Amino acid sequence: KQEVTQIPAALSVPEGENLVLNCSFTDSAIYNLQWFRQDPGKGLTSLLLIQSSQREQTSGRLNASLDKSSGRSTLYIAASQPGDSATYLCALRGGYQKVTFGTGTKLQVIP
Amino acid sequence: GAVVSQHPSRVICKSGTSVKIECRSLDFQATTMFWYRQFPKQSLMLMATSNEGSKATYEQGVEKDKFLINHASLTLSTLTVTSAHPEDSSFYICSARGTSETQYFGPGTRLLVL
Repeated sequence: KQEVTQIPAALSVPEGENLVLNCSFTDSAIYNLQWFRQDPGKGLTSLLLIQSSQREQTSGRLNASLDKSSGRSTLYIAASQPGDSATYLCALRGGYQKVTFGTGTKLQVIP
Repeated sequence: GAVVSQHPSRVICKSGTSVKIECRSLDFQATTMFWYRQFPKQSLMLMATSNEGSKATYEQGVEKDKFLINHASLTLSTLTVTSAHPEDSSFYICSARGTSETQYFGPGTRLLVL
């Protein structure tokens, strides 16, 4: 059974800092990994999708990496802004279309 | 990219009533749709998988008679919470998959049962 862990559960940083969010998983047999952000009371916004054969994806200030051998993915946010404050979820798609979500990291960027 | 919508985005209902949530794939045909539920401060959990024209497959612990799923067309799946109770209050998200392997997620529906 796939287990997905996100540490830390909460993170507070001053505006402008670069930061890294972590996602660990126990089963490396995955098809892809996706990072989402969830704003309070709102739905999921897809940020980056990394296929199993890829090692990283970039979009603007965001960079996500995938290391299946170590069971880790990281989401790097450069030059953080208050608007980046949200809960960040990683989700892994494994066999039989099953997607397993992490518990999330709640990020607060302080102006 | 592909778009999945959900309606309503928020709903408040009285205990004992039934609530229907719609999930639509707007620009692709979704052969498979998935329904997830998120409890407060917990991760999203898969409730059921539905293939168009077939009965949904429910995950262990999910009551199929309470959470009715219909996937009657390639662009629409519905989740009906029957005889809702306050403990059913949650955030429900659907995702849809077409011919590609990628799942596209809807924005979610927040249900509050009073």
